[in-house]
Amino acid sequence: DAKTTQPTSMDCAEGRAANLPCNHSTISGNEYVYWYRQIHSQGPQYIIHGLKNNETNEMASLIITEDRKSSTLILPHATLRDTAVYYCIVYSAGNMLTFGGGTRLMVKP
Amino acid sequence: DTGVSQDPRHKITKRGQNVTFRCDPISEHNRLYWYRQTLGQGPEFLTYFQNEAQLEKSRLLSDRFSAERPKGSFSTLEIQRTEQGDSAMYLCASSLGGLSDNSPLHFGNGTRLTVT
Repeated sequence: DAKTTQPTSMDCAEGRAANLPCNHSTISGNEYVYWYRQIHSQGPQYIIHGLKNNETNEMASLIITEDRKSSTLILPHATLRDTAVYYCIVYSAGNMLTFGGGTRLMVKP
Repeated sequence: DTGVSQDPRHKITKRGQNVTFRCDPISEHNRLYWYRQTLGQGPEFLTYFQNEAQLEKSRLLSDRFSAERPKGSFSTLEIQRTEQGDSAMYLCASSLGGLSDNSPLHFGNGTRLTVT
C-alpha cells in the first residue's frame, strides 16, 4: 500500500470546519483513499472513502486532488465529539487495511 | 445494536496463562478481521477470514496465537502462554465483501488485554 503522511496533531474550534490533510504521493491509479477515526477507548470508525472523485456523506467530505497525490477530509461543523485520531489509509485490492499514526484532532470550545 | 461485538471488553491475566477472546461480526458479513493495537500506535493486522476459511495471517501472529471461525459466524482468538508484550487492544472487524467491493470494515470496540 502507498505510504501516507499526516500531521501528528491539529486543533479546531468548535463549530468551525476541520480540514485534515493527507499526502499520498506514491498512490497508484487503482488505490482507494479511506478515512477512519478512533475516539478514545473505541474501535476505529469508518468515515468515507474515494478513488478519484470528491465524495460526501453525512459525516464528512473527501476532497482528492486531481493528481491524487493528496486529499483532505473536511468535517464541516466540528463538535467536541469529533475529537479523535483520524487515519488516512491508501488501500489496494488484495491487501489489508494498513493504519499509520494518524492525526490527533482536538476540537476546542 | 447490530454492530461488531467483542467479549470481554477487558481482560487481566498473569504471564503464562492462556486467554481467549470472542468476536461476533455484523450479521451476514462474510469477512472477519483481527487487529492488534498498542498504546499510541495505529491498529496492526493480524489475520483474516472469509467465511470459515482463514485466508491470511500476519507475521505478527506467532505460534502462540490461534484464531478460529468454525461456522463462519463468530470468531475466537486465543493466546497461549501470554507474555507481557501481548498487552494490547485486540480489535475485530467485519465486512460484507472486500474493500475493493466498496465494503468498508466495521470495527468492534476491542478487548483490552493486560498481562501482569
